[in-house]
This record gives sequence, structure tokens and C-alpha cells, in this order.
Amino acid sequence: GQQVMQIPQYQHVQEGEDFTTYCNSSTTLSNIQWYKQRPGGHPVFLIQLVKSGEVKKQKRLTFQFGEAKKNSSLHITATQTTDVGTYFCADTSGTYKYIFGTGTRLKVLA
Amino acid sequence: EADIYQTPRYLVIGTGKKITLECSQTMGHDKMYWYQQDPGMELHLIHYSYGVNSTEKGDLSSESTVSRIRTEHFPLTLESARPSHTSQYLCASSAGVNTEAFFGQGTRLTVV
Repeated sequence: GQQVMQIPQYQHVQEGEDFTTYCNSSTTLSNIQWYKQRPGGHPVFLIQLVKSGEVKKQKRLTFQFGEAKKNSSLHITATQTTDVGTYFCADTSGTYKYIFGTGTRLKVLA
Repeated sequence: EADIYQTPRYLVIGTGKKITLECSQTMGHDKMYWYQQDPGMELHLIHYSYGVNSTEKGDLSSESTVSRIRTEHFPLTLESARPSHTSQYLCASSAGVNTEAFFGQGTRLTVV
């Protein structure tokens, strides 16, 4: 079945270091969404990518969609303690279901 | 702030009890979803609905059932709670495919 894997599963960084999480699908994605879930909270939408090779930026966050639309990445420049949480990618594959990736849990050490 | 609400936020209940987790949204969304999530782990889709009187089972087998009699309301019921049901249950809604999903605050269920 449809699977969306994320690596790494966990990442600890020193505050100020960069962080990247990768999302990989076994099938071609119609689009990809990214969500952030703070500890004890619920997932909150960050962004959606639709086009092959698309790159979008939100302040220190850079989102990229692969040329083959089978992978995506989220890069955070100069992490801050407020970046702590779990980052999920999600594929809707043209259906009404959101298939979430396995998630990357980020810890930022001050 | 998203207008999707879940009650209760926390629930501790004995084995064998019947429980209903409530989820309501005021955004007029047709699509609603239930996810099960252990702390810090993956989100597993257990039920979803395309609209009133339409429900489907998700990718994770679940002993729960759902109903969708009104657009704004999507309750989840466990007929006989077991300790293996201990988890967080997240409700979400969206306007349609390729749009943002809005999540409720979740219900943390503990079955003792």
C-alpha cells in the first residue's frame, strides 16, 4: 500500500544549527503537505507543494518538492528552541485521505 | 484559530465500558477524519467521511465505529474499551482534497 517514510526519525541539534527532514514515497505524489506538531499539541499545517521541483520559503524554513514528485524536504536554518516538535509530511494523492509520513522528531538544545 | 473541537480532552475509563469521543467543526467542511496517535509517533487514519451518511474505514484496523448524521459532527464510539485502546485520538476536517487539514486538540484516552 501507499507508504510515506521520513528520515531521520529523531534529530537532536544545538540551537543555531541547521536541520533537514526528508520525506520519501514509494509512489508519485500528486502534492505534499507539511505539518508541525508541538509536544503535547496537535498537527498544524505549514505549507503545500504541488509542482515538480517547487521550492517555497517561510522565514527560516525552506520546503522542496522533488523533480520526480516522489520526495520532499524541509530545511530549517539556524534552529531555535521554538522549532522543537515533530514534523510530518502528508500526501493526499488526489483522494480525500491524508496519508501522513512517519514523522521526524526535532529536539533543539539551548 | 481553527474551529474544530474535541471532547473530552482527557478520559480515564475502565475496561469494558462504552465510550463516545465527540468532534465538531463549524467550518462547514465535508471531509472529516479520525486519527490514532501514540505519543510522538505516527498518525494512523482509522476512519474518514466524505460527507453526511458517508463513512469509510481507514488504513489502521480499529474496533471503533463512527457516524456522520450532520455535517458538523463526527463522533467516534468504542463499544467495549480495552487497555490496548489507550492512545490519543485526533479529529480533523478539511474543505476537500488538496486543502489544509485542521486538527482538534485531541482526546487522550486511558483504559484501565
